[in-house]
Amino acid sequence: AQSVSQHNHHVILSEAASLELGCNYSYGGTVNLFWYVQYPGQHLQLLLKYFSGDPLVKGIKGFEAEFIKSKFSFNLRKPSVQWSDTAEYFCAVNGLPKTSYDKVIFGPGTSLSVIP
Amino acid sequence: DTGVSQDPRHKITKRGQNVTFRCDPISEHNRLYWYRQTLGQGPEFLTYFQNEAQLEKSRLLSDRFSAERPKGSFSTLEIQRTEQGDSAMYLCASSLPRGREQFFGPGTRLTVL
Repeated sequence: AQSVSQHNHHVILSEAASLELGCNYSYGGTVNLFWYVQYPGQHLQLLLKYFSGDPLVKGIKGFEAEFIKSKFSFNLRKPSVQWSDTAEYFCAVNGLPKTSYDKVIFGPGTSLSVIP
Repeated sequence: DTGVSQDPRHKITKRGQNVTFRCDPISEHNRLYWYRQTLGQGPEFLTYFQNEAQLEKSRLLSDRFSAERPKGSFSTLEIQRTEQGDSAMYLCASSLPRGREQFFGPGTRLTVL
């Protein structure tokens, strides 16, 4: 079955450390890719998205992600995290086969805790 | 604020009762989605509408679940004869056509006792 996997369930970092959260999906065709973030007590919001073009995508709050088609990966990065980045991060994909582009499949999420 | 709104934010019910949740999408969005999220998991797709037409339903959506969007604006999700396994956060999202960003509401947290 098509799916989205995230490498880490829970990550703990100190402020100013670099962040990389892994995401892989199981389909080799053309898909759209997303990273969503959920801050404590808030609703899901989009960090960044990839539809086509430059595989290095820049999002809000200093986040970026790189689409590597050969590895079916879309890893999220940030060079220096802040305490306010503490949140749950979800990788998501749409355009998987036998589904419409309106159906978004989410990964299980990675909980990031940043220690001041 | 013109974001997606959901009502109620929290619902506690006893097993066997019926519950109904409402979602108001962003006004110009013609697509509306329902997801379910349990602790430690990402949102799971349940169903979606294009205007008033329900276009896809997940196998997660048993016959106890029904969703409507009668005038292509707000939507309701009803769960009949609730079970403890229905306890979850029910999320609504809306979007402009085809594959574009989905905007999420705050969710309705359902607890079935």
